[in-house]
Amino acid sequence: EDQVTQSPEALRLQEGESSSLNCSYTVSGLRGLFWYRQDPGKGPEFLFTLYSAGEEKEKERLKATLTKKESFLHITAPKPEDSATYLCAVQDASGYSTLTFGKGTMLLVSP
Amino acid sequence: DAGVIQSPRHEVTEMGQEVTLRCKPISGHDYLFWYRQTMMRGLELLIYFNNNVPIDDSGMPEDRFSAKMPNASFSTLKIQPSEPRDSAVYFCASSFDFPGEQFFGPGTRLTVL
Repeated sequence: EDQVTQSPEALRLQEGESSSLNCSYTVSGLRGLFWYRQDPGKGPEFLFTLYSAGEEKEKERLKATLTKKESFLHITAPKPEDSATYLCAVQDASGYSTLTFGKGTMLLVSP
Repeated sequence: DAGVIQSPRHEVTEMGQEVTLRCKPISGHDYLFWYRQTMMRGLELLIYFNNNVPIDDSGMPEDRFSAKMPNASFSTLKIQPSEPRDSAVYFCASSFDFPGEQFFGPGTRLTVL
């Protein structure tokens, strides 16, 4: 069974204080790893897909990286508007599998 | 495009009542997903459709849950009878490919008393 563990559960940063969120996964074979952002009271919003170890993707202050066991979401000089819950999901390579989501990291950036 | 549309946004009902949640996916998307989100279990896939056909309903918790997609622009998730443990936020999502970049609706917050 696929497993996704995100840490920390919650993170509080000061504006401009860079940090990283972790997503550890266990799958029989990885087809893709997905990052989503969820604002309170809204549905998740797609950020990135990573397919192979060593791959990196960037969007504004966010950069996602992937190894064979985990992914990191690096947040550089965050702003209050980056406050949200960040969800990680994996799709394993066996058959036509669906996404397995982690429980997310709740990020709060204070001005 | 208006994005994925869900209704109602909030539903409060009493145990034993029938609940119907509705979803309109983004036009042109071939895949539709129903998820449930709770604090304890996170985001869980209930069922997904491809071209209006149910493909995988292994996440549907029990026979009280059913989902239909009569056409490409409409889907329903029905719970009958509802129980307090069904209280959660239910999301509908659609995508052009599988599993793809999924576009989520705003969700329906269901409270069963």
